Amino acid sequence: AQTVTQSQPEMSVQEAETVTLSCTYDTSESDYYLFWYKQPPSRQMILVIRQEAYKQQNATENRFSVNFQKAAKSFSLKISDSQLGDAAMYFCASGSSNTGKLIFGQGTTLQVKP
Amino acid sequence: GAGVSQSPSNKVTEKGKDVELRCDPISGHTALYWYRQSLGQGLEFLIYFQGNSAPDKSGLPSDRFSAERTGGSVSTLTIQRTQQEDSAVYLCASSLVGGYGYTFGSGTRLTVV
Repeated sequence: AQTVTQSQPEMSVQEAETVTLSCTYDTSESDYYLFWYKQPPSRQMILVIRQEAYKQQNATENRFSVNFQKAAKSFSLKISDSQLGDAAMYFCASGSSNTGKLIFGQGTTLQVKP
Repeated sequence: GAGVSQSPSNKVTEKGKDVELRCDPISGHTALYWYRQSLGQGLEFLIYFQGNSAPDKSGLPSDRFSAERTGGSVSTLTIQRTQQEDSAVYLCASSLVGGYGYTFGSGTRLTVV
């Protein structure tokens, strides 16, 4: 069975500073993907970043980057130069490349202070 | 359509009534997923459709929950004899192939009173 754990229910960061959200996962899949999704108060889920597990290079998308440690089954999200619009709930997810089915963590609520 | 469309956006129903929630995925997306999100919580997998294959119903919490997907496109999630614990946001998502993540709809907030 797949599990995804986000151990930080809430985090806060000062505007323009950097914050890291933690995620660990467990999967029996040999070929899988990892994702971070953002859910603002509008409740629309938005894909932030995607990592292919077979790739060692960490994914980056503008101010968002991940630290993927495959052996440790860790997949943290770093947000640089935090902006007020980054305030949201962030979900880590692990998915099978075969079925595409995603298992989500419990989420981390990020507050950005002006 | 351009995105995943869900209707209604909000639904209030009386305990014991049946409800139907609709999801219209992105055209051409072969996979469709339903999740449930209770207040402030994570996403709980409910059911998954992939093309013409038998759906993965492993996440449905009880036999009061069922879903179908007609013509490989629109899906309907039905909850019979609703209970207060069914109150949640029901999210639908679709994808083209595994590994590329989902496109989500904006969800249906169900309130059972």
